[in-house]
Amino acid sequence: GAVVSQHPSRVICKSGTSVKIECRSLDFQATTMFWYRQFPKQSLMLMATSNEGSKATYEQGVEKDKFLINHASLTLSTLTVTSAHPEDSSFYICSAHRAGKNYGYTFGSGTRLTVV
Amino acid sequence: QKEVEQDPGPLSVPEGAIVSLNCTYSNSAFQYFMWYRQYSRKGPELLMYTYSSGNKEDGRFTAQVDKSSKYISLFIRDSQPSDSATYLCAMRTSTGGGNKLTFGTGTQLKVEL
Repeated sequence: GAVVSQHPSRVICKSGTSVKIECRSLDFQATTMFWYRQFPKQSLMLMATSNEGSKATYEQGVEKDKFLINHASLTLSTLTVTSAHPEDSSFYICSAHRAGKNYGYTFGSGTRLTVV
Repeated sequence: QKEVEQDPGPLSVPEGAIVSLNCTYSNSAFQYFMWYRQYSRKGPELLMYTYSSGNKEDGRFTAQVDKSSKYISLFIRDSQPSDSATYLCAMRTSTGGGNKLTFGTGTQLKVEL
């Protein structure tokens, strides 16, 4: 089955520093990667959509200069939270979509970011 | 009004009960419907998927879609404590929209011994 590996699973960083989260599709090529943010007991909020080799498309209200997304290959996408602040603390989840598969969305296991 | 509405619960049922989870939606262009299960602090995993209207059964799970009412359901038979999780409905259009999924808020389910 399709597997998406997301690292790290948990990270604590100091306010003002940057944190990089990696999302890898292990056994398939992901033409599109989605990045979500999830607050406790709430649904997934789509932050951005990235396609391999092109710039990410950000949802309204998401700061593209703060949440840098790179999708350099068909198996790897990264989300960098720059100059993190405590309000950025959240659960971040990636999802990789296989081209041509209408239901082919595989999620990573999530990253719990805590900014202190 | 949200595009997809889902009762957040929590829903508590005894072991062995039949569970009914539901979502309503407003966008008639949605064609693909999915149910995900999410355990605490984990990523969602795909449980069931259906295209357009109809029923689909897989083991203890049955997914139903009624496009005329813009209403989808997930039934869990003989519920087990291991079914305790948050269940998210998700849907997408057939074209356009960048293949984005639109999620419900999720229903928290607890199956008690």
